[in-house]
Amino acid sequence: TQLLEQSPQFLSIQEGENLTVYCNSSSVFSSLQWYRQEPGEGPVLLVTVVTGGEVKKLKRLTFQFGDARKDSSLHITAAQPGDTGLYLCAGDPGGNQFYFGTGTSLTVIP
Amino acid sequence: GAVVSQHPSWVICKSGTSVKIECRSLDFQATTMFWYRQFPKQSLMLMATSNEGSKATYEQGVEKDKFLINHASLTLSTLTVTSAHPEDSSFYICSARRGFEKLFFGSGTQLSVL
Repeated sequence: TQLLEQSPQFLSIQEGENLTVYCNSSSVFSSLQWYRQEPGEGPVLLVTVVTGGEVKKLKRLTFQFGDARKDSSLHITAAQPGDTGLYLCAGDPGGNQFYFGTGTSLTVIP
Repeated sequence: GAVVSQHPSWVICKSGTSVKIECRSLDFQATTMFWYRQFPKQSLMLMATSNEGSKATYEQGVEKDKFLINHASLTLSTLTVTSAHPEDSSFYICSARRGFEKLFFGSGTQLSVL
């Protein structure tokens, strides 16, 4: 059983469409992070959300942390082919461990 | 920003041999290092958490005698895959943390066991 479940697992959309990726857990996190990873490389941090209900925007990406700090979402507006990659949520539920979500593989078709 | 160096980037070995992967924090002292394993198009699976000077904490299902982790200093942790077999072929990534700050990731090691 994964601590952080992401949905959908795979997503293939046309350029210009909008999409939302969800990250859910039964555990409370003091913070959650979102990463994007390219094949053969380490993950790159996109954002950290800390406060329940917090919304952060990074250009066309909008991140939200759930009020109870158990879930988060990533919304991409007008997706571009350059957005293609593996999106991962991650966090430390306490105890100095750091877990990644199950991942969402996004393909944006030109 | 902080840099974590992971070496080698890729390694091919024969079945039955052991492979050592190094993870170094170049400009900070890492109190904790994490080791992950990743299969194609899947997420990173935490294998173990390593604190300097103490034994690593392994996740359930990870064989500690198979995947030996040593964190002898605040800047170096090593993962040794002992008696590697083809099913051990995977992408291994380390990350380092200073206190409870954000994680810094190595660039990963692609292991192929023939």
